[in-house]
Amino acid sequence: LAKTTQPISMDSYEGQEVNITCSHNNIATNDYITWYQQFPSQGPRFIIQGYKTKVTNEVASLFIPADRKSSTLSLPRVSLSDTAVYYCLVGDGPNNNAGNMLTFGGGTRLMVKP
Amino acid sequence: DVKVTQSSRYLVKRTGEKVFLECVQDMDHENMFWYRQDPGLGLRLIYFSYDVKMKEKGDIPEGYSVSREKKERFSLILESASTNQTSMYLCGSGGANYGYTFGSGTRLTVV
Repeated sequence: LAKTTQPISMDSYEGQEVNITCSHNNIATNDYITWYQQFPSQGPRFIIQGYKTKVTNEVASLFIPADRKSSTLSLPRVSLSDTAVYYCLVGDGPNNNAGNMLTFGGGTRLMVKP
Repeated sequence: DVKVTQSSRYLVKRTGEKVFLECVQDMDHENMFWYRQDPGLGLRLIYFSYDVKMKEKGDIPEGYSVSREKKERFSLILESASTNQTSMYLCGSGGANYGYTFGSGTRLTVV
């Protein structure tokens, strides 16, 4: 089980770029890295997933270095509505016990200020 | 978009009652799971299922059971509700390599 470590909290201002880094030193060869966003009283929402290098979608970018021992979620030009908790998860692979993938760490509480 | 629907948004039950929390997904996913989320404790996995009639215990299965008779439906059962089971319950489905989708949650209060 690949454990993840993230900062507990971060503050930012509207319009800034926010980068949240996650450490996963024990990541396995077939693990994917997935990020989720959670607002109060809602379930976590899938943001982005990657295996290596860089992945970009309409919401965020995910940067993964060659050794894959960390990853960085990048949110461009945040707004007040991006205030949420962000979780980094590392998967065990498609054919393994699915439960091993589903361990959430404490997440990073992002506060966007006006 | 994958949709995961939890049957109730808010529930209030009495101590000792048998409680059923229902979850339905519409994307033919093999994997389904239940978490509970409490302030300061984060999300903790209760049970998950990787196929019909298959189930595996998560980190905190005590006091809970599950049922998966059909692929799209995964039920969480509190055999005899207790006040320490007051929590937000989150159901979801998906897979390790294409992400998981969660429902909106059921906030259960046991009085």
